[in-house]
Amino acid sequence: DAGVIQSPRHEVTEMGQEVTLRCKPISGHDYLFWYRQTMMRGLELLIYFNNNVPIDDSGMPEDRFSAKMPNASFSTLKIQPSEPRDSAVYFCASTARNTEAFFGQGTRLTVV
Amino acid sequence: AQKVTQAQTEISVVEKEDVTLDCVYETRDTTYYLFWYKQPPSGELVFLIRRNSFDEQNEISGRYSWNFQKSTSSFNFTITASQVVDSAVYFCALSEAIYNQGGKLIFGQGTELSVKP
Repeated sequence: DAGVIQSPRHEVTEMGQEVTLRCKPISGHDYLFWYRQTMMRGLELLIYFNNNVPIDDSGMPEDRFSAKMPNASFSTLKIQPSEPRDSAVYFCASTARNTEAFFGQGTRLTVV
Repeated sequence: AQKVTQAQTEISVVEKEDVTLDCVYETRDTTYYLFWYKQPPSGELVFLIRRNSFDEQNEISGRYSWNFQKSTSSFNFTITASQVVDSAVYFCALSEAIYNQGGKLIFGQGTELSVKP
């Protein structure tokens, strides 16, 4: 298996623009997680899905953030409109019931 | 509330030295999981180990060893005979067992380890 695949690896955008981050989990994994890593706040969970259904989105910082999982092999995290303080590395991870989390390579987002 | 504390922000050692990374956690759950992840300069998060709260056996994997002590709520990580390739940020993390065991993680702030030749 290729592991968790995230795209793009790097994204630079202007403030106010919409940004969409993408994630393909490992086949057979039924949990998907979105994390954000910043210097100030470290690694924090934004939202997670089980069988494509959002279970806990309490970590989503604002209404500008939204996440979807239309099927078992694809998820998106959207920021609209983006702000400079959204600059961070966004990680996607997937697990099965009794496994550790496998993380993607991350997307480094820079909002200027 | 759950919390993971890695008090050591940065550690610098010379190659071949042993180094211990400290991790202290807080949880009210009786069943939980503890993890260590490595983040090398390339940025990915690499899984190292998972332990459940009922298994206090120390574990050794090559040059890596882990000491889990429930009495002190600690899960420390030791690298023996450190190498330059061990240079990375190491994260300790906690997961409640009521949820998926592996993915809903509370991370510590990380310890940046620098191993100099």
